[in-house]
Amino acid sequence: AQSVTQPDIHITVSEGASLELRCNYSYGATPYLFWYVQSPGQGLQLLLKYFSGDTLVQGIKGFEAEFKRSQSSFNLRKPSVHWSDAAEYFCAVGAWGSGTYKYIFGTGTRLKVLA
Amino acid sequence: EAQVTQNPRYLITVTGKKLTVTCSQNMNHEYMSWYRQDPGLGLRQIYYSMNVEVTDKGDVPEGYKVSRKEKRNFPLILESPSPNQTSLYFCASSPDRANYGYTFGSGTRLTVV
Repeated sequence: AQSVTQPDIHITVSEGASLELRCNYSYGATPYLFWYVQSPGQGLQLLLKYFSGDTLVQGIKGFEAEFKRSQSSFNLRKPSVHWSDAAEYFCAVGAWGSGTYKYIFGTGTRLKVLA
Repeated sequence: EAQVTQNPRYLITVTGKKLTVTCSQNMNHEYMSWYRQDPGLGLRQIYYSMNVEVTDKGDVPEGYKVSRKEKRNFPLILESPSPNQTSLYFCASSPDRANYGYTFGSGTRLTVV
């Protein structure tokens, strides 16, 4: 069955430090991969997406993500975290299978940024 | 400004009293969807719509209804709300269901007592 796993429920980093949020998926077909950010009291905002081509994709707010097929991963990275990056981050996977399209969200990783 | 607008933002209601949460998008998107967000469960899809008059069940449709009479609007209807429908609800839209990612509304926090 299609699944998305975000292994880290909470992550705390210091402002200025680098960040990597993990996302692993399980799906037989070539997936569409997405990262969203949810600030407190807000809806989700699309950060970046991957469909094909270059496996390193750039997004908004200085984020990037790398697709690694061999590891079934799509980890989100940022070289230097800002206090305003404190939020919850969701990985999502979409894929066609058996004539239908499924789009599944991970359970999220909450990022705390220390000043 | 391109956006998805949900109303109300907050709603407290009693068990069994019918309610409607409205959702409207101004981007001429064909695909719209409703999700509920619960702690530890992430987002789960309730219903979606591929276009006007075309709707289908998501993963957790029980207790909900939707309609898509116009392209821009996709209301969520709870005919007889129960406490287990207390949740944070999001409407989302996209040009199609696969390629673009979704634009989300700001959410509706529903409490059923």
